[in-house]
Amino acid sequence: QKEVEQDPGPLSVPEGAIVSLNCTYSNSAFQYFMWYRQYSRKGPELLMYTYSSGNKEDGRFTAQVDKSSKYISLFIRDSQPSDSATYLCAMSAAGGSYIPTFGRGTSLIVHP
Amino acid sequence: DGGITQSPKYLFRKEGQNVTLSCEQNLNHDAMYWYRQDPGQGLRLIYYSQIVNDFQKGDIAEGYSVSREKKESFPLTVTSAQKNPTAFYLCASSILTAGGAKNIQYFGAGTRLSVL
Repeated sequence: QKEVEQDPGPLSVPEGAIVSLNCTYSNSAFQYFMWYRQYSRKGPELLMYTYSSGNKEDGRFTAQVDKSSKYISLFIRDSQPSDSATYLCAMSAAGGSYIPTFGRGTSLIVHP
Repeated sequence: DGGITQSPKYLFRKEGQNVTLSCEQNLNHDAMYWYRQDPGQGLRLIYYSQIVNDFQKGDIAEGYSVSREKKESFPLTVTSAQKNPTAFYLCASSILTAGGAKNIQYFGAGTRLSVL
């Protein structure tokens, strides 16, 4: 089992839909949880990060962490065609290697 | 304007040739990283460095080499020993915190390497 699992998609939704992107993980030591957006042929761009459990909102984006279920989500409200990209989750733990573990990314297509 | 600059954007390698990818950051970050991204494979760590003059191998270091002579710079050399170098290469940097749990990485725009 991979440490971080992420469905590659593609996930295709109509413009204006609420999008839910998810990752599951196995390492209970993860404490920081990041979401990146990567447009085709570009580098990943940090969208937001959260510490431990709870929600964090930034504009149309909400990150949610459920440590008891080892499950994180990124919600996008009022999705736009410009949100079409690959979304990667990443998480890091204290101690040992400090290198974040990345999911493989979910491809999102928002069609007009 | 702070950030991470990777150059060139596109690079072509001939058989048996070594090529060097540049990565410069002006974020005053301690740590720097090199990843390789292939379609459907996610990010794979090649090398990383916490401090100047020190670096560690990642998961796929064979056929690659790095140096860290300055805090701002972390060039990656793809050697002729790397038999399948065609990929998208990403450089990242981060601030290291005590305990290491908080490691938020910021990425450059990437270099696409192809073999002629």
